[in-house]
Amino acid sequence: QSVLTQPPSVSAAPGQKVTISCSGSSSNIGNNYVSWYRQLPGTAPKLLIYDNNKRPSGIPDRFSASKSGTSATLGITGLQTGDEADYYCGTWDSSLSVGIFGGGTKLTVL
Amino acid sequence: QVQVEEWGGGVVQPGRSLRLSCGASGFTLRSYGVNWVRQAPGKGLEWVALIWDDGTNNNKYYAGSVKGRFSISRDTSKNTVYLQMSSLRADDTAVYYCARAVVLTAVGDSWFDPWGQGTLVTVSS
Repeated sequence: QSVLTQPPSVSAAPGQKVTISCSGSSSNIGNNYVSWYRQLPGTAPKLLIYDNNKRPSGIPDRFSASKSGTSATLGITGLQTGDEADYYCGTWDSSLSVGIFGGGTKLTVL
Repeated sequence: QVQVEEWGGGVVQPGRSLRLSCGASGFTLRSYGVNWVRQAPGKGLEWVALIWDDGTNNNKYYAGSVKGRFSISRDTSKNTVYLQMSSLRADDTAVYYCARAVVLTAVGDSWFDPWGQGTLVTVSS
């Protein structure tokens, strides 16, 4: 069981918007920065968001994220079939001095 | 181009040891940390270890599941980070990824980028 809680799956139609939540505690999300990663089937994870809400170069503005208290949210607009992947949130846990990931959310674009 | 690449995976018997390597290109390890992250078949990501020099100390951190069995180290002359794994168990079977740790002010303000393609470790008799 992961320290960070994500919904196992979400789905939406092409062109629609979806949000993925990531819930933690004061020792992790509450006092550290959150990053988000996308893992397409059969490939390595790739950075989508860092420092709670910043996009690396090359990541389209269809991807956005926010953090409030001990929770974070990833939003994806204009869904495409190519967005079907597993999405993970990640952060540091200051009490345990370990890195942590959410359990992952499988996005299906219907 | 900034890249990391892992090698050294394979099939190993329970209780034995194995060393993974992570080579960096396009950047120097002296300026960044390196994480190891693993993914068991059909499962999610599990952080394993981090090595990071904050300018004063060469800091090493480990997940509870591997502490005392795994050891992370680096050779800056070879721009390579190692993960020495000992007393391997069946539940250590996974694809092991290395990922550069971009640390701004402290490990709580860091992220993983880029990731390598992963190397498969199978622990089986």
